Amino acid sequence: EAQVTQNPRYLITVTGKKLTVTCSQNMNHEYMSWYRQDPGLGLRQIYYSMNVEVTDKGDVPEGYKVSRKEKRNFPLILESPSPNQTSLYFCASSPLGPEDTQYFGPGTRLTVL
Amino acid sequence: AQSVAQPEDQVNVAEGNPLTVKCTYSVSGNPYLFWYVQYPNRGLQFLLKYITGDNLVKGSYGFEAEFNKSQTSFHLKKPSALVSDSALYFCAVSDNTGFQKLVFGTGTRLLVSP
Repeated sequence: EAQVTQNPRYLITVTGKKLTVTCSQNMNHEYMSWYRQDPGLGLRQIYYSMNVEVTDKGDVPEGYKVSRKEKRNFPLILESPSPNQTSLYFCASSPLGPEDTQYFGPGTRLTVL
Repeated sequence: AQSVAQPEDQVNVAEGNPLTVKCTYSVSGNPYLFWYVQYPNRGLQFLLKYITGDNLVKGSYGFEAEFNKSQTSFHLKKPSALVSDSALYFCAVSDNTGFQKLVFGTGTRLLVSP
């Protein structure tokens, strides 16, 4: 089944404890991206990647890192999480770029205490 | 820079009535426009998109959207609403200028009453 998977689905952590949210797609898509969803703010793009080893900042990259060492994986790294990063996170992929239909993962609900 | 506005936080409609969810956009080049839907505790699902061609785009579940270049709008419509259409709807835009970002609106909650 074609899908985007994210792990973990739920995470409660404490300020400053490094964490990684994994994202994997099995559709051989070139474009992958991370979004955060907050009430009243909609979805905001954190980082995106056009291909392996090619990443760029979205609209809200502060406090996040990403890497794209393999085509299928696009992990989101929070080196020192803070409470303002408490949010619902979505990974998405598409065949070529933002002009294509995006396929979203199920989401990761992160709480930073 | 691209931007999207969804002016209504919530739209209420009775089942069987037509519905409209509004979206306006701003881009530098030619727009690529999308509607996505989010059901409770689920990820986002694609509904429809406009890239080029016919201004009226038909999508999943009986939804359609009309691209209006002069008004820079891309309103989502359905002739007859169902209770099961109740969800959160997002408009999104990118363009053909080479910027590889996709910008989403703040979302509109659609509530269809029986």
